[in-house]
Amino acid sequence: AQSVAQPEDQVNVAEGNPLTVKCTYSVSGNPYLFWYVQYPNRGLQFLLKYITGDNLVKGSYGFEAEFNKSQTSFHLKKPSALVSDSALYFCAVRETGFQKLVFGTGTRLLVSP
Amino acid sequence: DTGVSQDPRHKITKRGQNVTFRCDPISEHNRLYWYRQTLGQGPEFLTYFQNEAQLEKSRLLSDRFSAERPKGSFSTLEIQRTEQGDSAMYLCASSSGILTYEQYFGPGTRLTVT
Repeated sequence: AQSVAQPEDQVNVAEGNPLTVKCTYSVSGNPYLFWYVQYPNRGLQFLLKYITGDNLVKGSYGFEAEFNKSQTSFHLKKPSALVSDSALYFCAVRETGFQKLVFGTGTRLLVSP
Repeated sequence: DTGVSQDPRHKITKRGQNVTFRCDPISEHNRLYWYRQTLGQGPEFLTYFQNEAQLEKSRLLSDRFSAERPKGSFSTLEIQRTEQGDSAMYLCASSSGILTYEQYFGPGTRLTVT
C-alpha cells in the first residue's frame, strides 16, 4: 500500500533563510510525487511534481524538490523563505497504474519576519 | 475563473438528513476525483471518474455515499442519512489525462453535521 510520511508537524524559519520540508514515501512500483500548498479556507494548490528524469524539480513560487530513490524521500526546499510562504504543505504520492493521490498529514510552515 | 468550482462552499445539516454537493471541473478535463479532508489530516481519496465512468472507489465510500458524473461533465456527491462523523471538507479535483499527472483542486465544501 502507498503511504507518505511528513515527520514534522511544523517548521519554523526566519524570512530570508533557506527552508526544507521533509517527505518520505512508500510504494510498490515507481512513484509519482507531488507537493501541494494549502492556505486557510482555500483548496490545495499544486506546487511541483516528480514523474521521471532529473532528480531536482522546480516548481511554482521558487520552490524546488529533490527526489532521492535510495532514501525514498522527496523533500521540498526554497533558498530564501518569504513570510507569505507560511501555509500548510502536503506531500502526495501516486503509484503507477492507480489514479488516487495518497497524502501525508501535512507540515505547517511558519516564516517569521 | 477557469478553475475547479464547488457548490455550496459551506453546508450545515442535521444528523439524518441527506446532502448533495456539486463539482464543476476545469473545462475539458476528463478525470474527476473526490477527496475528504478532516481537521489535522491530509485529504483522503474517495472516488475517481474518467469521463462518466466511476473507475475507482475507496473503502471509505460507504453505502451512504454515492457519486455520479452524468455526461462526463460536472459531478455530484450525495451523502444519505448524514452522521456527525461525516463532518469534513469535501474536495473535488480534476486532471486532463494521461500526460498530465497533477490534479487541480477546487476550494472544497465544508460540511458540518449537527
